[in-house]
Amino acid sequence: EVQLVESGGGLVQPGGSLRLSCAASGFTFSNYWVHWVRQAPGKGLVWVSRMNSDGSSTEYADSVKGRFTFARDNARNTLYLQMNSLTAEDTAVYYCARGGQFSYYYPMDVWGQGTTVTVSS
Amino acid sequence: DIQMTQSPSSLSASVGDRVTITCRASQNVHSYLNWYQQKPGKPPKLLIYAASSLQSGVPSRFSGSGSGTDFTLTISSLQPEDFATYYCQESYNIHTFGPGTKVDI
Repeated sequence: EVQLVESGGGLVQPGGSLRLSCAASGFTFSNYWVHWVRQAPGKGLVWVSRMNSDGSSTEYADSVKGRFTFARDNARNTLYLQMNSLTAEDTAVYYCARGGQFSYYYPMDVWGQGTTVTVSS
Repeated sequence: DIQMTQSPSSLSASVGDRVTITCRASQNVHSYLNWYQQKPGKPPKLLIYAASSLQSGVPSRFSGSGSGTDFTLTISSLQPEDFATYYCQESYNIHTFGPGTKVDI
């Protein structure tokens, strides 16, 4: 079964850090672009970051640029999102999603169940 | 960056109704436009990609059309399981999502 499973969410104080993980299974992980998308409580979907299949190309939304770092370990079939300098505006459910094999133009066809990040004192 | 808008933001419909949701991009995204369905507490589900291609396993009552800046998602005969929020998304630039359209009874 093709699957993505996020972990690492939780409660963190403003200014703090958190690292999310996303474990992939059921497909050749190293062939695919991957994304992080977030959704604040009661709000819409917001794209956060994308990375190509070998990790050599990464893009970030302006709202997280300089604070979040996206990494992948193709040997472990795992994605990571390091989040620093967190603010209340980062409170959201974070989803990892699979993109295409050959370019970022492809849609997100497989999604994890999400992990919740709450930034609060 | 490309901005995405959707209309309406919400709509009320009945089972069997034909429903149309519109999405507009602030710049030409060619056919790099996708539609997702999301139910409460669940991740989004891909319905339509490349503006008009039906994702595998998605019922044929869902269809998409358009290119450039104007796109449409149509549900030909609304079913009980279709009550959800629908998002368009461009994948030409940085994967911006539209604000969503909530379809309820």
